[in-house]
Amino acid sequence: EVQLVESGGGLVKPGGSLRLSCAASGFTFSSYNMNWVRQAPGKGLEWVSSINSSSNYISYADSVKGRFTISRDNAKNSLYLQMNSLRADDTAVYFCARDGLGAWSFDCWGQGTLVTVSS
Amino acid sequence: EIVMTQSPATLSVSPGERATLSCRASQSVSSNLAWYQQKPGQIPRLLIYGASTRATGIPVRFSGSGSGTEFTLTISSLQSEDFAVYYCQQYNNWRRTFGQGTKLEIK
Repeated sequence: EVQLVESGGGLVKPGGSLRLSCAASGFTFSSYNMNWVRQAPGKGLEWVSSINSSSNYISYADSVKGRFTISRDNAKNSLYLQMNSLRADDTAVYFCARDGLGAWSFDCWGQGTLVTVSS
Repeated sequence: EIVMTQSPATLSVSPGERATLSCRASQSVSSNLAWYQQKPGQIPRLLIYGASTRATGIPVRFSGSGSGTEFTLTISSLQSEDFAVYYCQQYNNWRRTFGQGTKLEIK
């Protein structure tokens, strides 16, 4: 069974840092592009960042560029999001999502991890 | 950044009727367009990719059409489980963007 499990969310003060992880199982992780998507409380979906299968192509939304860093470890079947200089408007559920093969739509999603930025 | 605009924001339809949701891109995304369904408290589910290809396990009452900048998601005969929020998403370039969503509610 294909599974994505996020962890690392929690309460952090403005200006603080947090590292999210996503553990993948049930598929050949190293063959797939991976993504982070977030959803603020009561709001819509916002794409955050993408990384290709070999980590040589990475992209960020303007809202997080320069503050967030996506990475992956194919040996550990894991995806990461290092979040620095956090702001209140970063408060959201963060989802890990897999690109489909042949189409960059998100065909598999984790359950999400909640990040709350508040003093 | 490609801006995706969905309309209407809320659509009220009776069960058994047809629902038509629209999505417009600020520039051409070819057929690189997906639709997702999200129910309250649940994660998004991929419905359509490539503008018109149903994802695995998606009922035939869901269909997508369009290319370039104008796209449509049609649900042919609404079932109770179809009332949810629907998002379009473009993946024409590496910087993906979502529409703001259309809430499909029971009339």
